[in-house]
Amino acid sequence: GEDVEQSLFLSVREGDSSVINCTYTDSSSTYLYWYKQEPGAGLQLLTYIFSNMDMKQDQRLTVLLNKKDKHLSLRIADTQTGDSAIYFCAGLNDYKLSFGAGTTVTVRA
Amino acid sequence: DAGVIQSPRHEVTEMGQEVTLRCKPISGHNSLFWYRQTMMRGLELLIYFNNNVPIDDSGMPEDRFSAKMPNASFSTLKIQPSEPRDSAVYFCASSPPGELFFGEGSRLTVL
Repeated sequence: GEDVEQSLFLSVREGDSSVINCTYTDSSSTYLYWYKQEPGAGLQLLTYIFSNMDMKQDQRLTVLLNKKDKHLSLRIADTQTGDSAIYFCAGLNDYKLSFGAGTTVTVRA
Repeated sequence: DAGVIQSPRHEVTEMGQEVTLRCKPISGHNSLFWYRQTMMRGLELLIYFNNNVPIDDSGMPEDRFSAKMPNASFSTLKIQPSEPRDSAVYFCASSPPGELFFGEGSRLTVL
């Protein structure tokens, strides 16, 4: 199955950009996702990228995919306090979505 | 659209009791998933249904766990008997091809 790895913690100053990195093992993943989880809540789909793309931008979010290195990143521009959460990357292979352990992002004033 | 609806949101029970978690997927989604989230193991896929049929239950921990999907709008995950190590947040998710929508989760505490 897919192994997905992420760094566990990221601290960023309000207004700066955040970059969350993820590596995956299964090159046949068709879609790669970023989910956000706030305390006590479910996972909210932030954005996703199809495996034949290398970049996708959606307002403050930019996803970069390096398929050769199996590396996925999420950049959040102008990080706000409301962006404090756990961010999960996930890869889809057939029907199975394999999640990383999540990166806890803390936004400090 | 109301999204994926799970109940109960919180359940506290004693070891040995039966627990039933419920899920109403988004109308029109043909796939349904049950996930379990713990600090130690992260998010684990328990079972996957497609068109109400269980396709992959390899993630179900043991025979104490069972899941059903009697129709396209309802699924249950049952634990009988429950044990303290079952304490976790259980998520239901539904999907058209390529995108997963999660419910808010059911937080289970087994004492």
